[in-house]
Amino acid sequence: RKEVEQDPGPFNVPEGATVAFNCTYSNSASQSFFWYRQDCRKEPKLLMSVYSSGNEDGRFTAQLNRASQYISLLIRDSKLSDSATYLCVVGEVPNDMRFGAGTRLTVKP
Amino acid sequence: DAGITQSPRHKVTETGTPVTLRCHQTENHRYMYWYRQDPGHGLRLIHYSYGVKDTDKGEVSDGYSVSRSKTEDFLLTLESATSSQTSVYFCAIGRVGGAGNEQFFGPGTRLTVL
Repeated sequence: RKEVEQDPGPFNVPEGATVAFNCTYSNSASQSFFWYRQDCRKEPKLLMSVYSSGNEDGRFTAQLNRASQYISLLIRDSKLSDSATYLCVVGEVPNDMRFGAGTRLTVKP
Repeated sequence: DAGITQSPRHKVTETGTPVTLRCHQTENHRYMYWYRQDPGHGLRLIHYSYGVKDTDKGEVSDGYSVSRSKTEDFLLTLESATSSQTSVYFCAIGRVGGAGNEQFFGPGTRLTVL
């Protein structure tokens, strides 16, 4: 079983739609959680950290459920520019950080 | 963008040849990392460094060595490349502890071992 699991997708949604991704993790001792965004053939970039109380950044909302060991990312009012792969990242640096394989999102006109 | 560059950006080599990838940062971060990314897998840590001449293994370190003689440079060496080392290699920098667990990645090196 992978330490961090994501649905690979692809999720194909129309512009303006709301889409949600989940990610499950196996290490219950993990304290740090992130969503990264990776465009095709580019490097991952931090989208947002995920806090215990949940957090929102514009159209993006991240939630953490420790009891069920998953984190979620909700994107509202999807834009074409949101098309990317979203990586779930769990754990601590320097050597306990684990990356999911990513969920691919395509937003269509 | 974080000041991280990688060289070369693309490389094709043959099985059995040595290969060195370079990561250069201008941010003066103490911690530097090498990851590989393969289809169906998340990024996996190869080696990391916590200072000049201080390095440690990650989860997929077999077949790789690293060196850090200056704060700004972190080298990854494949002593004898194999086809299983065909991958995209990302260097990263970041802080450890406090509020900073985020990592910033370089643009990547696409390595093909024939």
